[in-house]
Amino acid sequence: KQEVTQIPAALSVPEGENLVLNCSFTDSAIYNLQWFRQDPGKGLTSLLLIQSSQREQTSGRLNASLDKSSGRSTLYIAASQPGDSATYLCDLRVNQFYFGTGTSLTVIP
Amino acid sequence: GAGVSQSPSNKVTEKGKDVELRCDPISGHTALYWYRQRLGQGLEFLIYFQGNSAPDKSGLPSDRFSAERTGGSVSTLTIQRTQQEDSAVYLCASSSNGVVEETQYFGPGTRLLVL
Repeated sequence: KQEVTQIPAALSVPEGENLVLNCSFTDSAIYNLQWFRQDPGKGLTSLLLIQSSQREQTSGRLNASLDKSSGRSTLYIAASQPGDSATYLCDLRVNQFYFGTGTSLTVIP
Repeated sequence: GAGVSQSPSNKVTEKGKDVELRCDPISGHTALYWYRQRLGQGLEFLIYFQGNSAPDKSGLPSDRFSAERTGGSVSTLTIQRTQQEDSAVYLCASSSNGVVEETQYFGPGTRLLVL
């Protein structure tokens, strides 16, 4: 069974800092990996989807990388803003969807 | 509406009662997914529908849980004889065709509290 770990569980940074969130997984035979953000009282919002054949995806201030051989994905957030405060989840698709427990990010104005 | 909707948004029930949760996927999406998120934990896959059929029911935690989908659209998740451990946020998602390359679109969830 796929095990998905996200470190750190919580992170607090001052506004403007660049930061990296980590997602580790045990089985490299994945179809794709997706990063979501979850806001309190709301559902999940898709940020970036990386297919198995890709190594990274970029959208605005966000960059996600995928290294299947090492079982890792990172989400890089540049020039963080208070509006980035949320819980960030990585999700692996094998024959099912496997979610990490998330990293709770707080960006301090 | 443009997104996935779920109802009710909150549900408080007594132990032993049955509850029914509803999900309206994005119009035209053939794939629909149910997840459970317990407090402080990650999302737990429950069941997946392709059209009206459920090829993967492996995540349903017990026979008290069942789900159906009619008309290739609305889905209901039913929990019978609720237990306190069923307290969680139940999230629904849909995707266009259910192929692995697609992204999922999530609803806001139903927060279930079993007293």
